[in-house]
Amino acid sequence: QVQLQQWGAGLLKPSETLSLTCVVSGGSFSGYYWSWIRQPPGKGLEWIGEINQRGNTNYKPSLRSRVTISLDTSKNQFSLRLNSVTAADTAVYFCARGSHIAAPGRDPFDSWGQGTLVTVSS
Amino acid sequence: SYELTQPLSVSVALGQTARITCGGNNIGSKNVHWYQQKPGQAPVLVIYRDSSRPSGIPERFSGSNSGNTATLTISRAQAGDEGDYYCQVWDKNIEVFGTGTEVTVL
Repeated sequence: QVQLQQWGAGLLKPSETLSLTCVVSGGSFSGYYWSWIRQPPGKGLEWIGEINQRGNTNYKPSLRSRVTISLDTSKNQFSLRLNSVTAADTAVYFCARGSHIAAPGRDPFDSWGQGTLVTVSS
Repeated sequence: SYELTQPLSVSVALGQTARITCGGNNIGSKNVHWYQQKPGQAPVLVIYRDSSRPSGIPERFSGSNSGNTATLTISRAQAGDEGDYYCQVWDKNIEVFGTGTEVTVL
């Protein structure tokens, strides 16, 4: 059973950089897309972007200019950086395992991290 | 960009059937996944690829997808089925979530 454990700073000031990391255990790290998803308080889920084992990334267009997702295969980790944060970036951030890269169509998110609340406030 | 529209809320009497819709342009041509989320928890996958159930999900949960609407059906609703439900698809290299539906069991 794959498990995702995430961590990172929970309180930021406007204009700072959000940084979160997720480590994968109990399953294969290669062969999948790994995503970051966020949820503002009281609102719905918003996909931020993904990365695969080859380092190929896809980002939500509205966030692309501020987002970087990277990975460290030696540690089975992937990370999120979001630049120039504002109060609108306040949310619970989740890491999640997405589709197998060889799956026809796309698989769902079948494993999730526990979530990290990131608050942006001056 | 692709959009998925869900009703804000659905109420269902205990033991009855709830249906949650997910509307999107030609969504019937896409694989639709459904998640249940309870307060303070990460979402849990309940239906994938329109109508398949992950292990551990009761048979009371079923799904369908055709035309411009996908539907999640909860039969014999129980109090433990309360929560928020989200549909999700992949479109042009972007993962898209629906707006979410709050399910209340009366």
